[in-house]
Amino acid sequence: DTGVSQDPRHKITKRGQNVTFRCDPISEHNRLYWYRQTLGQGPEFLTYFQNEAQLEKSRLLSDRFSAERPKGSFSTLEIQRTEQGDSAMYLCASSMTGATEAFFGQGTRLTVV
Amino acid sequence: GEDVEQSLFLSVREGDSSVINCTYTDSSSTYLYWYKQEPGAGLQLLTYIFSNMDMKQDQRLTVLLNKKDKHLSLRIADTQTGDSAIYFCAESSDNTDKLIFGTGTRLQVFP
Repeated sequence: DTGVSQDPRHKITKRGQNVTFRCDPISEHNRLYWYRQTLGQGPEFLTYFQNEAQLEKSRLLSDRFSAERPKGSFSTLEIQRTEQGDSAMYLCASSMTGATEAFFGQGTRLTVV
Repeated sequence: GEDVEQSLFLSVREGDSSVINCTYTDSSSTYLYWYKQEPGAGLQLLTYIFSNMDMKQDQRLTVLLNKKDKHLSLRIADTQTGDSAIYFCAESSDNTDKLIFGTGTRLQVFP
C-alpha cells in the first residue's frame, strides 16, 4: 500500500476559477478527512466521511466548497469561484473507525492569483 | 470552543534535549498527539497518549500529560539535526476522531 495519495500536488489558478482536488485513502480505511493548512498555522478540520456519508462539516466550509466520496473510496474537494483567501495546503487523511492514528497525504498546495 | 496553543519557535544544540510544550482547553480530550511536519512533506504521527495516562516513552521521545493543567509536553532526547521540523500538538475528543491542531512549534537544531 502506498499510503494516502493526493492529486495534484500543486495547483495555481486564477481568482474566480473552479478547482477540484482528489484524495485516495489507504484502501481499507473507512474514514476520510479533509483539512486546510494556511502558512504558519496548524491544519484546520474541514469535513469528514465515514464510508460514503459526509458526517460533519466545519463552519470553515463555505457554500463554495463541496466534498464528495461517492463510492466510499476516493474523495474529491471542489472549490468554486476561488478567492485569494483560499490559497492554502489542503490535506487529506484516512483512518479506520476506532483506530488511534490517521494517516495523512502530502497535500495539495493551492495558490490563487 | 476547542483551542490548542504552542510556542512558535525552539532552538537547541545538537545532542541536547528539546522540550516542546502545548496547552489545550477541551477537558473531554480523549487522545493527544504529536505530529512532525518537514518541508514539502505531509504530517507524520510521532506518538500519542491516552488522556488517562501521565507519561509515555517511545525511544528518544517522552510525552508528559498534566490533565489538571491541560498541559502536554514532548521531550526529544539527544536531539539531532534531522529532528529539525515543525511539531504539532493535536487533540481529539469525540467519536469522529477529527483532530484539533495547535499552531505548531518550529524546532531548529544547530551543530
